[in-house]
Amino acid sequence: EAQVTQNPRYLITVTGKKLTVTCSQNMNHEYMSWYRQDPGLGLRQIYYSMNVEVTDKGDVPEGYKVSRKEKRNFPLILESPSPNQTSLYFCASSSTGVSYEQYFGPGTRLTVT
Amino acid sequence: DAKTTQPPSMDCAEGRAANLPCNHSTISGNEYVYWYRQIHSQGPQYIIHGLKNNETNEMASLIITEDRKSSTLILPHATLRDTAVYYCIVRRFPGNTPLVFGKGTRLSVIA
Repeated sequence: EAQVTQNPRYLITVTGKKLTVTCSQNMNHEYMSWYRQDPGLGLRQIYYSMNVEVTDKGDVPEGYKVSRKEKRNFPLILESPSPNQTSLYFCASSSTGVSYEQYFGPGTRLTVT
Repeated sequence: DAKTTQPPSMDCAEGRAANLPCNHSTISGNEYVYWYRQIHSQGPQYIIHGLKNNETNEMASLIITEDRKSSTLILPHATLRDTAVYYCIVRRFPGNTPLVFGKGTRLSVIA
C-alpha cells in the first residue's frame, strides 16, 4: 500500500531536549516536504527536498533542521525545541511528474512544555 | 501562485450533491487548480486537479469555467464521511512551489 508514515504520532517533551520526527514514504517519490498546522494559521511549509541531498527552506524554517540521505526518508529535527513549536506536523511526498499530487502522512502532534 | 477565495462553510444533505465553489480570478496560464480535503486532524488528502478541462475521478468532479477564473468541486452523492475542510489551491506547473493552503471551506454533511 502506498503510504507516508510518521513517527512518533504523539510526543510531549520539554524545552531544549533535542528530538527527531521521522518520515518515510514507499512510493519512490523525489519530492518530500514538512508542514506544520496551527489553529488560525493553516498549513505552512517548513522545509522541502527535491531529491537526495537537496533540501531548501519553506516559509517557517526557523528552529528546524532536515536531512535527506536516502530517497525514502526525510526526518525533521528540532535541536532545541521551544513551546512555540507545539503544533501538528505533517510530512508529504510527491513525484515531480505531471500530476504533482502530494501524499500526506497521518501527522505528529508535538507538545513542548 | 494565484490566490483563491472560498466560502468558509457550507452544509449539504446526505445523498445530495455537494458543490464547493472557488474563485481564482488571478490565475495564470500555467497554473493548475488542485483540491484537497482534511478530515478532522488527519493528513490532507488529494482529491482532484485540472488545468482547463473538466475532470472527473472516483471521488469527485472538477468544473473549471472557460475563463479559468473560478471552479467548482462536485461530490456527487455526499456522505457523512465527506464532512471535512476542503481546500482549493492554485499551483504553478512545472515548479517547486509548495502547496499554499488557505482557510478552505468547512463542509458539513447532514443526515
